[in-house]
Amino acid sequence: DVVMTQSPLSLPVTLGQPASISCRSTQSLVYSDGNTYLNWFHQRPGQSPRRLIYKISNRDSGVPDRFSGSGSGTDFTLQISRVEAEDVGLYYCMQATHWPPSFGQGTRLEIK
Amino acid sequence: VHLVESGGGLVHPGGSLRLSCVASGFTFSMHWMTWVRQAPGKGLEWVANIKQDGSEKNYVDSVKGRFIMSRDNAENSLYLQMNSLRAEDTAIYYCVSYTDYWTLCYWGQGTLVTVSS
Repeated sequence: DVVMTQSPLSLPVTLGQPASISCRSTQSLVYSDGNTYLNWFHQRPGQSPRRLIYKISNRDSGVPDRFSGSGSGTDFTLQISRVEAEDVGLYYCMQATHWPPSFGQGTRLEIK
Repeated sequence: VHLVESGGGLVHPGGSLRLSCVASGFTFSMHWMTWVRQAPGKGLEWVANIKQDGSEKNYVDSVKGRFIMSRDNAENSLYLQMNSLRAEDTAIYYCVSYTDYWTLCYWGQGTLVTVSS
């Protein structure tokens, strides 16, 4: 199975400052159709997850443009250009290229 | 878009439970459907998925042979029959939909399953 490893696991950030989360996979996430099925999700406390980014860098509808995704192959990054209070919570990367789909351990973003 | 799960609760080890998920606000028959679970204070785990027409179902090893997933496109509904439940199945179970190529993805609010004597 593909293991997804996120870092850091805890991310204290000052409001208005940037934040970055790394996600690495144990196998390349390039699928046979040429797409890389790497998603990013955000889970606010007490809520269900909501997807932010799909196929590495595509923002979902309604996601602020301060969120961006990048990477290729086995190394991926989620960046927040200026952290706002509503960004607190857990962030998960998830691969859907290989069966079974798998999630990272989660990165907890908190405001300093 | 709404995905509303139901059917969770407290069950003894070895018991059974049937989860349901009703979808609205999107074309249910065009989405793969899946169950993702989250044990208390833990991360997310994929459980099973089912193709748009129900012709393909996939289960992770830990639930294979115990859980059965099904769908009714006429009723915009998804089901998970859970048998031989174990303590390690205790989790919030989320109903999740996604389209081919993952261009759309929606989550329900989850239903809590607790397996305990």
